[in-house]
Amino acid sequence: QVQLQQWGAGLLKPSETLSLTCAVHGGSFSGYYWSWIRQPPGKGLEWIGQINHSGSTNYNPSLKSRVTISVDTSKSQFSLNLSSVTAADTAVYYCARVVVGIEARPRRFDPWGQGTLVTVSS
Amino acid sequence: DIQLTQSPSFLSASVGDRVTITCRASQGISSYLAWFQQKPGKAPNLLIYAAFTLQSGVPSRFSGSGFGTEFTLTITSLQPEDFATYYCQQLNSYPITFGQGTRLEIK
Repeated sequence: QVQLQQWGAGLLKPSETLSLTCAVHGGSFSGYYWSWIRQPPGKGLEWIGQINHSGSTNYNPSLKSRVTISVDTSKSQFSLNLSSVTAADTAVYYCARVVVGIEARPRRFDPWGQGTLVTVSS
Repeated sequence: DIQLTQSPSFLSASVGDRVTITCRASQGISSYLAWFQQKPGKAPNLLIYAAFTLQSGVPSRFSGSGFGTEFTLTITSLQPEDFATYYCQQLNSYPITFGQGTRLEIK
């Protein structure tokens, strides 16, 4: 059974770069996309972007200028970097596996990591 | 971006009730819609994908329907563990988007 374990710094100052990593345990790394999603405290879910094992990415245009998602297939890990953070980036960040179908179209997000609360405060 | 609007935003119901949550898309998304359940402090849990396909391990009291722009999640015979927040998600086009959520509470 696939499990995702994520980690990274939980407290940042404004203008710093958020860095999170998600490790995939117990399943294949190729053949899927791997995604990041965030949720500000008490609010809804926002898709950040995704990557596949060969490094092909899709990003949310609202964050694209600040986001980089990368992959390390040798470790079955993928990472999120979000630059120039502000208080508006305070959220729980989740990683998730994206099962794809025909023409690599996303079909479902499952499973998810446990979530990491990242707080941006001076 | 495709906007998803869930209704209602808040729902109060009793154990044993049947409830329906609606998700409307701002443009047609075929059947590229999923439903999640989220409990406080936990990651979202996939219930339904492709509009009506039940995810493995999810109780059969959960069902989904719809196509195009209007979708529903139905829970028959509510159980105590079903009181949570529910989100719809569209996967038809990028950026992938979510509804604002429906909070289901015990009456």
